Amino acid sequence: GAVVSQHPSRVICKSGTSVKIECRSLDFQATTMFWYRQFPKQSLMLMATSNEGSKATYEQGVEKDKFLINHASLTLSTLTVTSAHPEDSSFYICSARDARGQETQYFGPGTRLLVL
Amino acid sequence: QKEVEQNSGPLSVPEGAIASLNCTYSDRGSQSFFWYRQYSGKSPELIMSIYSNGDKEDGRFTAQLNKASQYVSLLIRDSQPSDSATYLCAVIQYSSASKIIFGSGTRLSIRP
Repeated sequence: GAVVSQHPSRVICKSGTSVKIECRSLDFQATTMFWYRQFPKQSLMLMATSNEGSKATYEQGVEKDKFLINHASLTLSTLTVTSAHPEDSSFYICSARDARGQETQYFGPGTRLLVL
Repeated sequence: QKEVEQNSGPLSVPEGAIASLNCTYSDRGSQSFFWYRQYSGKSPELIMSIYSNGDKEDGRFTAQLNKASQYVSLLIRDSQPSDSATYLCAVIQYSSASKIIFGSGTRLSIRP
């Protein structure tokens, strides 16, 4: 149980294009999902908290107009990196918290983004 | 002071020995604590959760919590080369809207 998937696992795109990453909880409902970014040899950085049916809460320094988050259902959240630039190249990881009130977060396998 | 602190390592332990990973946290009101393991290039996976003072054992892993000292640790018995990874300590801070805060991780290396 508690499986979280992400798609795509890897993406290469040209500078200026937009990239959408999907995060799905496969066997549980998640009222809250989280989006993290991790640069090589650095720790996880929380970008935003995504709540089903409401606007995402962004961490300080994260541009909400650049990183669009949609949490349209209890099993799906999407992160769209708009007008991507090479400095956005990173490992993006989502996690989901079970709606039944358990506090544990389960991580997706991550999406590696390379912007050329 | 960081909210969740870990020694970055690397911590080198011989195969078969006990690896001891430590973590301290700043929010005295925290109630939920987690240990995640992250292999290079992969996302974190949950190893243990602990909520009460004392020890919690699961196979070769033992989590220890001391809320008075604001300290949580992870012991790995009979360390294996496959245990070589970065271990992330995570704490739920109720003062920050139940946000989970991660430490920067301790890199563990098990030498054969």
